[in-house]
Amino acid sequence: DAGVIQSPRHEVTEMGQEVTLRCKPISGHNSLFWYRQTMMRGLELLIYFNNNVPIDDSGMPEDRFSAKMPNASFSTLKIQPSEPRDSAVYFCASTKTPGLGDYEQYFGPGTRLTVT
Amino acid sequence: AQSVAQPEDQVNVAEGNPLTVKCTYSVSGNPYLFWYVQYPNRGLQFLLKYITGDNLVKGSYGFEAEFNKSQTSFHLKKPSALVSDSALYFCAVRDEGGSYIPTFGRGTSLIVHP
Repeated sequence: DAGVIQSPRHEVTEMGQEVTLRCKPISGHNSLFWYRQTMMRGLELLIYFNNNVPIDDSGMPEDRFSAKMPNASFSTLKIQPSEPRDSAVYFCASTKTPGLGDYEQYFGPGTRLTVT
Repeated sequence: AQSVAQPEDQVNVAEGNPLTVKCTYSVSGNPYLFWYVQYPNRGLQFLLKYITGDNLVKGSYGFEAEFNKSQTSFHLKKPSALVSDSALYFCAVRDEGGSYIPTFGRGTSLIVHP
């Protein structure tokens, strides 16, 4: 298996532009998480999907952020308009639906976003 | 509510010496505990987990962790550190009876000196 795939790996954009980050989870995994990592705030959960349905989006910073999961093999995180404070590494992670015998998360390589 | 604490931002150890990275947790029910490692410019990578059973859990790359219920701890250990073990280590916890979302610690930077 190729693991969790994220694209692009690096994104540099100007303030005010729209940014779309993409994620392909591991086949057979039905839970997907988007995280943001910065030096100041560490690893933050943005949103959690289960069976393509957003379950918890309380970590989404504000209305400029939106996430979708149209099918089991694809998810997007969109920032519109982007701001310099959005600069961070964004990770996608997938896992089987937790249950008895909990499952670890598999992380993608991340997208490093720089907003100038 | 669930929470996890990694009290040390950085741990320094000499190559060949044993290493310990500390983690304490708080949950209402039974804990599911995880350790992940992050190498520079990479995503987090699963090392080991405790769900139930033996308190000593063995994982990848020679790492192990000991679950201590009375001290609510899950410290990561390795008998002999390698320079290549230098990385950022994250502890995570999930309450068995709670949300399906784990809580991650802030991470501990492990530096192994040659």
